[in-house]
Amino acid sequence: EVQLVESGGGLVQPGGSLRLSCEASGFTFNYYSMNWVRQAPGKGLEWVSYISSSSSTVFYADSVRGRFIISRDNAKNSLYLQMHSLRAEDTAVYYCARDEGWNNDHNYGLDVWGQGTTVAVSS
Amino acid sequence: EIVLTQSPATLSLSPGERATLSCRASQSVSSHLVWYQQKPGQSPRLLIYDASNRATGIPARFSGTGSGTDFTLTISSLEPEDFALYYCQHRTNWPPALTFGGGTKVEIK
Repeated sequence: EVQLVESGGGLVQPGGSLRLSCEASGFTFNYYSMNWVRQAPGKGLEWVSYISSSSSTVFYADSVRGRFIISRDNAKNSLYLQMHSLRAEDTAVYYCARDEGWNNDHNYGLDVWGQGTTVAVSS
Repeated sequence: EIVLTQSPATLSLSPGERATLSCRASQSVSSHLVWYQQKPGQSPRLLIYDASNRATGIPARFSGTGSGTDFTLTISSLEPEDFALYYCQHRTNWPPALTFGGGTKVEIK
């Protein structure tokens, strides 16, 4: 079964740090680019970060650039999000999602999503 | 930056009725538009890619149309499990950033 399982969420004080993990199974992880997407309570989806299959390309939303770091370990079938200088507005459910890819002619979307891990930033 | 505007914010319909959801882009996105469904307490699920292609396992009652700036997701006859949130999404070729619309909630009337 193709699956993504996030972990590492929790309650953290403003200014603190947290590391999220996403473990993949059921597919060849190193073939796929990956993303982190978050959803604040009662709000819509917000893309956070992207990493290519080989880690050669990473990209961040403006709201997290300079504070979050995306990485992956293909040997461990795992994706990570290191979060620093956390703010109240980072409170959200964080999803990892598999990227089916895109090019000039196609946008295939995010086809596999984890169940999410909750991050709460509060004093 | 391309902005995706979804309307209406909420659609109140009865099972068996037809649902028509709109997603409008602030500039042309060709056919590079994706739709997701999210049920309460669940992760999003890919429904439609490239504006009109159903993802694997998606029932035929879901269809997508449009190109350029105006897109529509149609559910031909609402089943009880279709009452959920729906999001459209686009990404630029470079940088690889994704943009989501604000969502449309389809609720039981």
